[in-house]
Amino acid sequence: AQSVTQLDSQVPVFEEAPVELRCNYSSSVSVYLFWYVQYPNQGLQLLLKYLSGSTLVKGINGFEAEFNKSQTSFHLRKPSVHISDTAEYFCAVSPRSGGYNKLIFGAGTRLAVHP
Amino acid sequence: DAGVIQSPRHEVTEMGQEVTLRCKPISGHNSLFWYRQTMMRGLELLIYFNNNVPIDDSGMPEDRFSAKMPNASFSTLKIQPSEPRDSAVYFCASTDQGLAKNIQYFGAGTRLSVL
Repeated sequence: AQSVTQLDSQVPVFEEAPVELRCNYSSSVSVYLFWYVQYPNQGLQLLLKYLSGSTLVKGINGFEAEFNKSQTSFHLRKPSVHISDTAEYFCAVSPRSGGYNKLIFGAGTRLAVHP
Repeated sequence: DAGVIQSPRHEVTEMGQEVTLRCKPISGHNSLFWYRQTMMRGLELLIYFNNNVPIDDSGMPEDRFSAKMPNASFSTLKIQPSEPRDSAVYFCASTDQGLAKNIQYFGAGTRLSVL
């Protein structure tokens, strides 16, 4: 079985400051890793994904994440945030094995960017 | 592509009434998921269809909930009778399990309020 822990339920930050949203996962098998963003009153949108290859992946809106296998982490970072980045961010994993594999989501981190 | 389309966006109903939520997945996708999102429980997977066949309905909370996918371009989630505790945002998502590496694309959701 897999599980995802997002260590911070809320992260307040000032505009133009850097931010890191933390995600740790547990799995007995190899996984794909995802970050989704949910803006107010909208559905979830894929921000970035790690499938294979380079452990540093870049996504939309200037976000990036680094897969650390030894620490089973997939933290999300942005060097300078904007007011428009205010949203809820979800980390998710999915087993790599074939067939039906559902996404297992973390509880979410609410990022609040203040002027 | 228009993305995953859900209707209605908002639904207000009285306890005991039947509620039907609708979803049109992205054309060509062969898998469809229904989720429920609440503050208390976060994102919960309710049911998963592959090639129009229900594969995993272990997340459906009780017999009052039912879901159908009569064809590749349409799915419904029905609650009968509805109860106040069913109030939540319901999301539909679709993917191509073969090619998309479990990347799910979400609709904008239906916000259900049961009074």
